[in-house]
Amino acid sequence: GQNIDQPTEMTATEGAIVQINCTYQTSGFNGLFWYQQHAGEAPTFLSYNVLDGLEEKGRFSSFLSRSKGYSYLLLKELQMKDSASYLCAVRDVHRGSTLGRLYFGRGTQLTVWP
Amino acid sequence: GAVVSQHPSWVICKSGTSVKIECRSLDFQATTMFWYRQFPKQSLMLMATSNEGSKATYEQGVEKDKFLINHASLTLSTLTVTSAHPEDSSFYICSVPDRGYNEQFFGPGTRLTVL
Repeated sequence: GQNIDQPTEMTATEGAIVQINCTYQTSGFNGLFWYQQHAGEAPTFLSYNVLDGLEEKGRFSSFLSRSKGYSYLLLKELQMKDSASYLCAVRDVHRGSTLGRLYFGRGTQLTVWP
Repeated sequence: GAVVSQHPSWVICKSGTSVKIECRSLDFQATTMFWYRQFPKQSLMLMATSNEGSKATYEQGVEKDKFLINHASLTLSTLTVTSAHPEDSSFYICSVPDRGYNEQFFGPGTRLTVL
C-alpha cells in the first residue's frame, strides 16, 4: 500500500520562511513531486526530486532523503498569494507497460497572514 | 509543458443519468492520461490510467463498469460516469505526463454535482 503523510494545516506571516514536511512509505519509489493547488483549481507543478538532496527553484526548494522516506518543501519570502494547499506526491515505479502512477498525500493547507 | 483542457468545467445532473467528461491534450500527443477524483478537503485519488488504443487500467476499488474510459486518439480521453449518484459528486481532474515523465500537466478539472 501507499502511505503519504503531511501536516493538515500550517500558518505563517508574509516574508517568513515555512517548511512543509512529507513522509512516505510506498511499495515502490521513482520520484517525489510537490504541487500547489488553489481552492477549486487543478494542481500546478512546483518541484521534483528523484535523488537525495536539495533542489532549489527561486523561492521554493525541495529536499529528499530516500533512506528516511522524507521530503520537505521550503518556501521563502512568503507572499499572500502563496496561501494554498501543497500536495506531496510519490511516483511508483514503472511496471511493464504501465507508467509509474502518482500517489498524493492529503495536502497541507498553508495560510499566509499579512 | 503540455496544455490540457477539460470539458465541461462543471456539470449538474440528476441521479441515474450518465455524464461524459472530456480531457484534451492541446499541444502534445499523449499515449497515456490519468484520471483523478478529489472530494472536498481531500487529496487527489488516482482512479485509472487511460491508454491510447487499449483498455484503461483501473485502481483498486474503482468500478470499471461505472467509470467508462475511452482513449480513442492521442489527444483525447473521455471519462463517462454512468448512472451517477450523489456520492459521485466530486472534482474530476485529468493529467498528461510529459515525454520524460518527470512532470504531469493537469487539466483545469470538472466539478460534477449529482442531485
